[in-house]
Amino acid sequence: AQKVTQAQTEISVVEKEDVTLDCVYETRDTTYYLFWYKQPPSGELVFLIRRNSFDEQNEISGRYSWNFQKSTSSFNFTITASQVVDSAVYFCALSENTGTASKLTFGTGTRLQVTL
Amino acid sequence: DAGVTQSPTHLIKTRGQQVTLRCSPISGHKSVSWYQQVLGQGPQFIFQYYEKEERGRGNFPDRFSARQFPNYSSELNVNALLLGDSALYLCASSLGNRQLYGYTFGSGTRLTVV
Repeated sequence: AQKVTQAQTEISVVEKEDVTLDCVYETRDTTYYLFWYKQPPSGELVFLIRRNSFDEQNEISGRYSWNFQKSTSSFNFTITASQVVDSAVYFCALSENTGTASKLTFGTGTRLQVTL
Repeated sequence: DAGVTQSPTHLIKTRGQQVTLRCSPISGHKSVSWYQQVLGQGPQFIFQYYEKEERGRGNFPDRFSARQFPNYSSELNVNALLLGDSALYLCASSLGNRQLYGYTFGSGTRLTVV
């Protein structure tokens, strides 16, 4: 069975600090996708990034960057120069094809609080 | 273009009642998945529908059922509500039923069972 672990329950930082959210996953599949979603208080899951299991190239997009390492089954997410608007719950998720369906397995989330 | 729309946004039900939640996917998307998110947890997979057929089901009791209509919208039904069914119910829209298509989520329906 697939599993996603986000060991950090809650992180508090002061604005402009850098922060890294950790994600470790378990799967027996050779083809899979990893996702990061942001969930503000409104509840909607906002898509941030998707990576497939064959693409270990790390990426920087504005203040966001991602570090995907298959050797350690980790897919970490870094926010540079954090802002108050970054305050939200962040979820790491792993997808799989199961028979005729596909589904996401989510971690328990990391609550990020950015203060002035 | 409209995103994934869910209705209602909030509702309160009494134990034992039945509830129906609705989801309209992004135009052109033929797959709808349902997830339950209990407070403090990550979303849990309930169902995936594609081309009006159930393609996958998570570990939920038979009290949970769903269907997809010819216009690809979907309804999630929960019978004999329990207090533990209180959660945010999220709908995800996708082009197809394979993982490569990715998923776009709606804002959810927050259900409170009293």
